[in-house]
Amino acid sequence: NAGVTQTPKFRILKIGQSMTLQCTQDMNHNYMYWYRQDPGMGLKLIYYSVGAGITDKGEVPNGYNVSRSTTEDFPLRLELAAPSQTSVYFCASRPREGQEKLFFGSGTQLSVL
Amino acid sequence: GDSVTQMEGPVTLSEEAFLTINCTYTATGYPSLFWYVQYPGEGLQLLLKATKADDKGSNKGFEATYRKETTSFHLEKGSVQVSDSAVYFCALSDYSSASKIIFGSGTRLSIRP
Repeated sequence: NAGVTQTPKFRILKIGQSMTLQCTQDMNHNYMYWYRQDPGMGLKLIYYSVGAGITDKGEVPNGYNVSRSTTEDFPLRLELAAPSQTSVYFCASRPREGQEKLFFGSGTQLSVL
Repeated sequence: GDSVTQMEGPVTLSEEAFLTINCTYTATGYPSLFWYVQYPGEGLQLLLKATKADDKGSNKGFEATYRKETTSFHLEKGSVQVSDSAVYFCALSDYSSASKIIFGSGTRLSIRP
């Protein structure tokens, strides 16, 4: 019963460094999402995917990239990290259209210093 | 695009008090509406949902009614417990792209014993 698994749980980056946040789900869900949650704020959608090979921008995509080569994995890439990207990142998935409950991972806390 | 507006927090109540957290939305068409809850240190969990006008979602003593005429989906509970302390998020499925789930800014609830 793994569900949605995110790694790492915590990371500190220096300005200008790059990294990949990993997300994998074992529920065979078609739809996957990346959100960021800034301190005291709500969730903002970064990117989402409706199936392998298909991705689309959300509300705040700048500074990020994603890929979806398999149904299970949806990594989020940060290029040239900036302090404004300090946040908690959540990956989520749901089965398909019409099945609207999102299943969330436990989050990755990222600090860019 | 579609959006969700929630009442600002934090909200502090005594145990057994009545709870209302306001949520209004802006949307083209008829989105599905959700309340998610985030307990400390965890990802979000679906609390309840409603998929059409006048539907009432309910779970764990919480209720919310989809009001199309006032574009609202207020969360209520008749008697809160300390264990209800959490952050509550209102959300909708974006009509323009039903794949998107858009969240409000969240309302932090603290219950005093």
